[in-house]
Amino acid sequence: DIQMTQSPSTLSASVGDRVTITCRASQSISSWLAWYQQKPGKAPKLLIYKASSLESGVPLRFSGSGSGTEFTLTISSLQPDDFATYYCQQYNTYSPNSSPPFGQGTKVEIK
Amino acid sequence: QVQLVESGGGVVQPGGSLRLSCAASGFTFSNYGMHWVRQAPGKGLEWVAFIRYDGTNKYYADSVKGRFTISRDNSKNTLYLQMNSLRPEDTALFYCAKDRDWYIDLWGRGTLVTVSS
Repeated sequence: DIQMTQSPSTLSASVGDRVTITCRASQSISSWLAWYQQKPGKAPKLLIYKASSLESGVPLRFSGSGSGTEFTLTISSLQPDDFATYYCQQYNTYSPNSSPPFGQGTKVEIK
Repeated sequence: QVQLVESGGGVVQPGGSLRLSCAASGFTFSNYGMHWVRQAPGKGLEWVAFIRYDGTNKYYADSVKGRFTISRDNSKNTLYLQMNSLRPEDTALFYCAKDRDWYIDLWGRGTLVTVSS
């Protein structure tokens, strides 16, 4: 199975900071990567799909990049509403013998 | 309004069974694949199972293979997850989620399953 590793696990930042989260795949997944945001007590929300496509309604300060095995989620200017946990998920493989794992998550905290 | 509403969670003893349901509304349910994703208390997201729009293909995480069965009734706009031989490590909030080209674009609010004696 493909493994997804996010870094850092926790990130402390201030409002207005530029924030970057990295997600690495154990093998190439082309651009088949999505990013989700989850706030405490809430369901996750889709931010980015196909590595760099912004979901409708998501603020332009969010962007995604990368292909192959290394991907990044960038928040250009952190806002109070952005303090949350972020997960990547690869969707390169669905089969009876493989599953699409999520990364372990990156919690963005107030510094 | 596009939404997914899960139900059927509760407390069950180890070895027991439970069936979760997910009622879909606001979109043409029969056109989309569907997922179950779970989240143990204080932990990250774990993908559990997927079913194609017509029910012809089903995929499972290794951790639930042989114990959980995903199914759907397109006439009722409802997704199901039959969970047998439950273990304490299955304790989690279970989310129903809508597929779009193999990633998830809509999540329900979740239903809590607690496996404990």
